[in-house]
Amino acid sequence: EVQLVESGGGLVQPGGSLRLSCAASGFTFSSYSMNWVRQAPGKGLEWVSNIGSSSRTIYYADSVKGRFSISRDNAKNSLYLQMNSLRAEDTAVYYCARILGSTNWYFGYWGQGTLVTVSA
Amino acid sequence: QSALTQPPSASGSPGQSVTISCTGTSSDIGGYNYVSWYQQYPGKAPKLMIFEVSKRPSGVPDRFSGSKSGNTASLTVSGLQAEDEADYYCSSYAGSNNVIFGGGTKLTVL
Repeated sequence: EVQLVESGGGLVQPGGSLRLSCAASGFTFSSYSMNWVRQAPGKGLEWVSNIGSSSRTIYYADSVKGRFSISRDNAKNSLYLQMNSLRAEDTAVYYCARILGSTNWYFGYWGQGTLVTVSA
Repeated sequence: QSALTQPPSASGSPGQSVTISCTGTSSDIGGYNYVSWYQQYPGKAPKLMIFEVSKRPSGVPDRFSGSKSGNTASLTVSGLQAEDEADYYCSSYAGSNNVIFGGGTKLTVL
């Protein structure tokens, strides 16, 4: 069974940093692209970033480009999101999501999410 | 890229069919067959219901179907059941390695 478990969320001041982690199990982690998708309280979903299976390709939404950095450690079956220069509008539940098969652009498996709150 | 446009709400009685629309542009929905739909219950993670416009992942009931015409995609739920009451989000590849979502539709089973 595919399992994705996020951690690292919490309260951070504007301008601060936070690192999210996602522990994967139940599949060959090194074979799949991974994503971060977020959802602001009471709002819709927003794709944040994608990383290829071997980290050779990395993509970001314009809203986080230059501030967020996605990475992975295939030996540890883990995905990360380093978030710097955080703003109030980054407040959201952040989901780790695995692609369904081989196409990057839809997400077949999701974690339970971790809440990031950016506030003074 | 702007978000895709969905109606904020939709409703139907048990057993009926409901269709939720998702309108984009020729740069997203109209340009690619990478439309997907997600179901989300309050406080829970989204679940993929439809991918590549009309394909269903294993385990998704065939009451759920997807289609696309031009720049508009649609999700149809046939034989509505109480458990179908949830939020539904459409999504599309938008080129330049970018994915966009709709604002979501709250489906109410009357």
